[in-house]
Amino acid sequence: SAVISQKPSRDICQRGTSLTIQCQVDSQVTMMFWYRQQPGQSLTLIATANQGSEATYESGFVIDKFPISRPNLTFSTLTVSNMSPEDSSIYLCSVEIQRGETQYFGPGTRLLVL
Amino acid sequence: GQNIDQPTEMTATEGAIVQINCTYQTSGFNGLFWYQQHAGEAPTFLSYNVLDGLEEKGRFSSFLSRSKGYSYLLLKELQMKDSASYLCAVRPSNDYKLSFGAGTTVTVRA
Repeated sequence: SAVISQKPSRDICQRGTSLTIQCQVDSQVTMMFWYRQQPGQSLTLIATANQGSEATYESGFVIDKFPISRPNLTFSTLTVSNMSPEDSSIYLCSVEIQRGETQYFGPGTRLLVL
Repeated sequence: GQNIDQPTEMTATEGAIVQINCTYQTSGFNGLFWYQQHAGEAPTFLSYNVLDGLEEKGRFSSFLSRSKGYSYLLLKELQMKDSASYLCAVRPSNDYKLSFGAGTTVTVRA
């Protein structure tokens, strides 16, 4: 498995502002993903973070709203831009050490937008 | 799209057994995962099935029937700490992404 950390663990933000969430892994991994989990709901994949190229977004998610970076094989960031209360959610980073293997999740970032 | 169904809630008594079913209709199949998620925490990996049959890991077992598009997670000798949400996730063939079910909230009563 991999040890995954996320910063911040939680935040309260004002609408219209942006927040960048960091995901750090203790070893090189092939795949990194970003999910959203709204209260009482299951996990929704936002995008796959690709190292050295643009992320691959799922239907309903766009780069302008959720820009993602992945500069190397151990680190990625997700920015939630121009936030509204509807963006209040838990944002989770996950990794696959090798593509197609088990996904492991970071501890999540709890975001509340006022 | 992918369709993954599991019951919303289940309640059981400490020491008992609970079986959580998961049915799926996906564009091909390349593995099924079960995760446990305690309230306010991240999902943790429990089990993985890619071939038909039963995989046993201590008190937890997971079963898969690919022809029926069906899996279950069996929790034996239930403990209070097993109260959590259990997520079924399927990886369709030729796709690295996971599709998650809505999750089953299991409540263990004394």
